[in-house]
This record gives sequence, C-alpha cells and structure tokens, in this order.
Amino acid sequence: ETTVTQSPASLSMAVGEKVSISCKTSTDIDDDMNWYQQKSGEAPKLLISEGNTLRPGVPSRFSSSGYGTDFVFTINNVLLGDEGIYYCQQSDNVPLTFGAGTKLELK
Amino acid sequence: EVKLVESGGGLVQPGRSLKLSCAASGFSFNDYWMGWVRQAPGKGLEWIGEINQDSSTINYTPSLKDKFTISRDNAQNTLYLQMSKLGSEDTAIYYCAKYYGYTFAYWGQGTLVTVSS
Repeated sequence: ETTVTQSPASLSMAVGEKVSISCKTSTDIDDDMNWYQQKSGEAPKLLISEGNTLRPGVPSRFSSSGYGTDFVFTINNVLLGDEGIYYCQQSDNVPLTFGAGTKLELK
Repeated sequence: EVKLVESGGGLVQPGRSLKLSCAASGFSFNDYWMGWVRQAPGKGLEWIGEINQDSSTINYTPSLKDKFTISRDNAQNTLYLQMSKLGSEDTAIYYCAKYYGYTFAYWGQGTLVTVSS
C-alpha cells in the first residue's frame, strides 16, 4: 500500500500570497497524483488530475508539479474563495490512498 | 450534467447492516468505473472501493474487504454499498464517485451514516 504524507496540516495566508502544499509517497507513482479541494459542508472537487493536468474550468492559478515520490500543489495569488481543505490522492495502485489534508485559511 | 445522488444513510445500531444507493444520471453509467469514499466527522478521506463497468472487477481497501460489498445495476444506473457489522468507526459521510482513470472526477453530495445505540 502506498502511503501519502501531506504537509503542512494547515496554512494561514493573506490574499494574493502563494500557497504550496507538499505530498510525498512511499512508493514511486510516476505522475499519478491528483489534487482535490473541499469547501466546508461540500463534497470534494477535483482540481488537478494525473500528469499535472488542470481540470476544465479550474483557474490557472492552481497548478501542480512532481514525479515519482515528491509532489507539490501551488495556488498563485490566493483568493478568499480558495479557503478549504486540500487533499492529494495517488492513483497509481490499489488501494487508492489520500493525504491527510491541508486546511487553508485566509487572513 | 453528471449527477450522483446517494441515499440510504441514517442512524443504525452497532452490529447491524445498511445498504446505500447512488443514483447516477447525465452520463453513460455502464461505461465507467465507480467508487465509494467515506469521511468520518472532522477527518480526512478514505477510499472504500471500486467496481468496473460489468462488475467483473471489484477492489476494496483491505480493512473493509470483509465488511463492505460494492455492486451496481447498470439497467437502473445505480451503484450500491452493502455494509455489515457496523461499528462506531463506520460513522461517516459516504460519497459515491464517478471515475476518470483512477481519479474521482465527480462526487455525489454524500449520505451520512451514524452508528450508535
């Protein structure tokens, strides 16, 4: 089973700043990493899928990079509406596994 | 528009069983893998398992393999999750999801299962 270690657990940022979230996997997963946003009381929403591919309709402020075991999710020019919890998820092998989440708070 | 609507959640006593449903619309249901993910109150996301288009392949997270059963009815565009021997640790929001590759491209709104006496 591939363990996904996500950090930090929480972030407090000002509007306009750059957000970076890290996920490290215990096995090599190529670029099979996905990123989700979950706002309070809502289901998660897929932002970026395998191969660092931005999903349709997702602003280009969101991006990701990484290959193998180290991955980074970035939000440039963070906005108030970006508050929520962000999860990474590896899709290389079963069981599919998620990171523990990063709670993003805007000051 | 893809729509996934879970139902069947509620309060259930420990040790009992419960079956959840997920009604799908807005896409060709029998062309896609589907899966279940749960989220305990205030906690992160946990993958439960998945089923392929013709139900010939079903995978589970190891800790739930003997308790939960995933099935589907392509004629009814419905995904199911049969849960047995429920304990307090199974209290969670249960989401169904439509796959895109091994990615959860679309999610339902979730159904809350509370296990308590």
